[in-house]
Amino acid sequence: EVQLVQSGAEVKKPGESLRISCKGSGYSFTSYWIGWVRQMPGKGLEWMGVIYPGDSDTKYSPSFQGQVTISADKSISTAYLQWTSLKASDTAMYYCARRVGSSPGIWFDPWGQGTLVIVSS
Amino acid sequence: DIQMTQSPSSLSASVGDRVTITCRASQRISSSLNWYQQKPGKAPKLLIYAASSLQSGVPSRFGGSGSGTDFTLTISGLQPEDFATYYCQQSYSIPYTFGQGTKLEI
Repeated sequence: EVQLVQSGAEVKKPGESLRISCKGSGYSFTSYWIGWVRQMPGKGLEWMGVIYPGDSDTKYSPSFQGQVTISADKSISTAYLQWTSLKASDTAMYYCARRVGSSPGIWFDPWGQGTLVIVSS
Repeated sequence: DIQMTQSPSSLSASVGDRVTITCRASQRISSSLNWYQQKPGKAPKLLIYAASSLQSGVPSRFGGSGSGTDFTLTISGLQPEDFATYYCQQSYSIPYTFGQGTKLEI
């Protein structure tokens, strides 16, 4: 079974750093892009970026470029989303998802269960 | 960025109804359009990919159509478990933007 399992909820203070993870199993982790999606409380889905674990090629949404860092460690089949200085506005649920297909048919499946990040003083 | 606009933002329906949700792209995206269902407290679930292909395991009452800029998700014979929020997503160009969502309520 293809599965993405994300790390647990985090409560942090503004200015702190954080790295959350997404571990893939049941498939060749290095052969599929992994994407990250933000969902702020009560709001819709926002696409953040993707990484190809095979060579760490990464593409960001302009809205998130410079705000977060996406990385991967293929030796342990894990992708990461990282902040160096959290803000209260980073409070959200974050999902990872596997990108499937190739242009023009690209979709995301499955999704991880989500990691809730709360940033509060 | 390609802007995706869904309508309506919310929709009230009854079990057994047929409902249609539309999604419009700000530029032509061929058939690079996906539909996801999200229930409260859960991760999104893929329903339809490439505009009209039904994801494995998804009931056949879900259907997608369209190409270019205009797309529809149709649910024929609503079931109680279908009441959720639905999102379209374009995968034509990065960033792979989502629509704002359509909340389907009883």
